[in-house]
Amino acid sequence: GENVEQHPSTLSVQEGDSAVIKCTYSDSASNYFPWYKQELGKGPQLIIDIRSNVGEKKDQRIAVTLNKTAKHFSLHITETQPEDSAVYFCAASKFTSGEKLTFGTGTRLTIIP
Amino acid sequence: GAGVSQSPSNKVTEKGKDVELRCDPISGHTALYWYRQSLGQGLEFLIYFQGNSAPDKSGLPSDRFSAERTGGSVSTLTIQRTQQEDSAVYLCASSAGESYSNQPQHFGDGTRLSIL
Repeated sequence: GENVEQHPSTLSVQEGDSAVIKCTYSDSASNYFPWYKQELGKGPQLIIDIRSNVGEKKDQRIAVTLNKTAKHFSLHITETQPEDSAVYFCAASKFTSGEKLTFGTGTRLTIIP
Repeated sequence: GAGVSQSPSNKVTEKGKDVELRCDPISGHTALYWYRQSLGQGLEFLIYFQGNSAPDKSGLPSDRFSAERTGGSVSTLTIQRTQQEDSAVYLCASSAGESYSNQPQHFGDGTRLSIL
């Protein structure tokens, strides 16, 4: 089955700097890659997603890049703010699996004011 | 609009008891998923519903776990004879999910289950 690895497990950045979180996946048939933000006591919130026919997608301060050849995708957050502090999860899925998500192990992002 | 609603938000029970967890998906969403989030295992898939049928139950960890969905809406996850290793946050997600369309999944805030 699919295996998703995520790095780093913790990340601290100064407010205003950029943060990058990286994931790799094992199943070349995976074609959908969402990113979720989870705050304490809350469920995961979808922040951006990308499909395998696209190499990059951007939404304001958040961007995701996908390298299908390397089976690697990354989340980029620019101009970080204190409210960006949370745990971030990457995930992967494919058409033939009923769209179930396989998640990475999460990155705890701390923004230092 | 209303998001995915789960109840109860917290449940504490004794080992060996049965528990029922409820999920109300976003109105009109045909696909519904249960996941489990625990410290040692991260976020794990349990079961997927399309309408009232469950084409993928591969993530249910044992026959003590079952789930049903009625009327294409509300779903209940039942754990029988609970064990301490069942302690986790149980998350429900729904999507507009016509099959094979990779529609975004939206999560509820989960039920935190603690087995004493």
